[in-house]
Amino acid sequence: AQSVTQPDIHITVSEGASLELRCNYSYGATPYLFWYVQSPGQGLQLLLKYFSGDTLVQGIKGFEAEFKRSQSSFNLRKPSVHWSDAAEYFCAVEGGGADGLTFGKGTHLIIQP
Amino acid sequence: KAGVTQTPRYLIKTRGQQVTLSCSPISGHRSVSWYQQTPGQGLQFLFEYFSETQRNKGNFPGRFSGRQFSNSRSEMNVSTLELGDSALYLCASSIGTSSSYNEQFFGPGTRLTVL
Repeated sequence: AQSVTQPDIHITVSEGASLELRCNYSYGATPYLFWYVQSPGQGLQLLLKYFSGDTLVQGIKGFEAEFKRSQSSFNLRKPSVHWSDAAEYFCAVEGGGADGLTFGKGTHLIIQP
Repeated sequence: KAGVTQTPRYLIKTRGQQVTLSCSPISGHRSVSWYQQTPGQGLQFLFEYFSETQRNKGNFPGRFSGRQFSNSRSEMNVSTLELGDSALYLCASSIGTSSSYNEQFFGPGTRLTVL
């Protein structure tokens, strides 16, 4: 069965600093990979996705992620965070089968002024 | 284009009762998936409906059921509520099935509290 691990439950970053959120997945073949963001009281918004091709994918709000097959990772990055980036971030995998999206437990991002 | 809407947004029930949640997908979307979000278990897939047929189901007891109507609107039902069913229930819609290159758009969720 597929699984996703987000090792960091909480991350605190100063406004303007760079950000990297870690995500490791377990899946037998090449998965479909996603990053979602959830603000308090809101649903999930898709930041970016990887299906195939270029392993560096660009998303909305200045985010990017890199797929590394050898490390089974799909880390999310942003060069300079803004206070509005404070939220919960979820990495997800979908195997193309019938199991829906499998999510990690999420990383809570705190932005320090 | 209107987004995914879920009603009601908040719900309080007592143990043993049953509840029905509703989800209206984005116009033109034929797939609706349901997820349960709790602090302990995180986000878990419940089931997916496509063209009025349940396409797949997550690892939840039979108390959790759903259906989809011809206009793609979906309802999920939980019978004999337990305290552990307290959660945020999220609905997501997509043009095609979730196993293809189709982005899922999420609604704001229904917060269910079981007392």
